[in-house]
Amino acid sequence: DAMVIQNPRYQVTQFGKPVTLSCSQTLNHNVMYWYQQKSSQAPKLLFHYYDKDFNNEADTPDNFQSRRPNTSFCFLDIRSPGLGDAAMYLCATSNPGGLPAFFGQGTRLTVV
Amino acid sequence: GQQLNQSPQSMFIQEGEDVSMNCTSSSIFNTWLWYKQDPGEGPVLLIALYKAGELTSNGRLTAQFGITRKDSFLNISASIPSDVGIYFCAGIGGSGNTGKLIFGQGTTLQVKP
Repeated sequence: DAMVIQNPRYQVTQFGKPVTLSCSQTLNHNVMYWYQQKSSQAPKLLFHYYDKDFNNEADTPDNFQSRRPNTSFCFLDIRSPGLGDAAMYLCATSNPGGLPAFFGQGTRLTVV
Repeated sequence: GQQLNQSPQSMFIQEGEDVSMNCTSSSIFNTWLWYKQDPGEGPVLLIALYKAGELTSNGRLTAQFGITRKDSFLNISASIPSDVGIYFCAGIGGSGNTGKLIFGQGTTLQVKP
């Protein structure tokens, strides 16, 4: 059974057109993360939620926003996608205390 | 900030061979994790290590949490073609880390049948 579900798996958007990626979880984990991964690189943390507390990484562009309306769902909003934002976006969840994070299958974003 | 150095960057081996890869850091971590990522998919957790010195196996995979808490290795025995993928180490916790997952650069494994 899928535990962390990302939709859609593939997203094509136009340069500058806002886009939203979604993530849902059935694990009831407190923490939800959004990572950006470019080809042949390690995932790069954009931000994470600890319950409703939002934690932004210092180098995450303002173009990237997130919402977590409840425990199960988290959204990544890219306000004005540029060509450099084309990447795989990964959602992950965990409980605190050094417990492992579990990842969704990712959304591959293409910007045209 | 905390960083993980993972090596080797890539490996090309014959089916049936054993594989070893490792991660080191100048910082300590409280948890070490090993993930495998197939093309176009999210990382899948292979092994989690919680205590310094811990040695854990998962089938043909064995991983250890270094005594100093600054390193970990992953061994794969008798490799098979489906072992192909990118392997990432990751650390959680330790100095100044509030629970974020820090990734190594990844090891790309190719297995020749």
